[in-house]
Amino acid sequence: SQQGEEDPQALSIQEGENATMNCSYKTSINNLQWYRQNSGRGLVHLILIRSNEREKHSGRLRVTLDTSKKSSSLLITASRAADTASYFCATNTNAGKSTFGDGTTLTVKP
Amino acid sequence: EAQVTQNPRYLITVTGKKLTVTCSQNMNHEYMSWYRQDPGLGLRQIYYSMNVEVTDKGDVPEGYKVSRKEKRNFPLILESPSPNQTSLYFCASSRNPGQGNTEAFFGQGTRLTVV
Repeated sequence: SQQGEEDPQALSIQEGENATMNCSYKTSINNLQWYRQNSGRGLVHLILIRSNEREKHSGRLRVTLDTSKKSSSLLITASRAADTASYFCATNTNAGKSTFGDGTTLTVKP
Repeated sequence: EAQVTQNPRYLITVTGKKLTVTCSQNMNHEYMSWYRQDPGLGLRQIYYSMNVEVTDKGDVPEGYKVSRKEKRNFPLILESPSPNQTSLYFCASSRNPGQGNTEAFFGQGTRLTVV
């Protein structure tokens, strides 16, 4: 299985609700990043959290990192229909190896 | 405008016919990488390059070659494409991962079909 694994695989919520996605990884990391992908298009960077950080905020996004459990979560608050997309976590090593998870497909219903 | 440009965006080819997918970035990034994306498998790293003339294998390098003769370009070469290389390919670039802030910029993708 891949290093980065997200759950759930799919999430469907109503506009205004919060969406939480989780990511687990297996090896030591330099940092962990979350990306968004609209159907079939390139990925867009959302937020990066370093291995010595525990929580980070950016607008409606909140990311946590627990290196002892090798896990991270992405919370999107007050979701909008435009947040509908796939979300991926990615881990990086200093040597350049990067690993992406399988992604969580989020559907926000108007 | 900061961007990563891949060409072509769509390509249909036949088994065994050599092809090259180009990737160019204008951000003076040291690091560049190629991924393939298949349904249910997320993105898998094919090859990456930490700098000019430095390339390394990712998780799925078989059947692919790359070169990094210039900082801005990182072409992906399929010497003898096979149907199992039908996929959506992404190129990405970033600053050196060892510097910590490695926000990656992605190209728009190349959808390759090998028949």
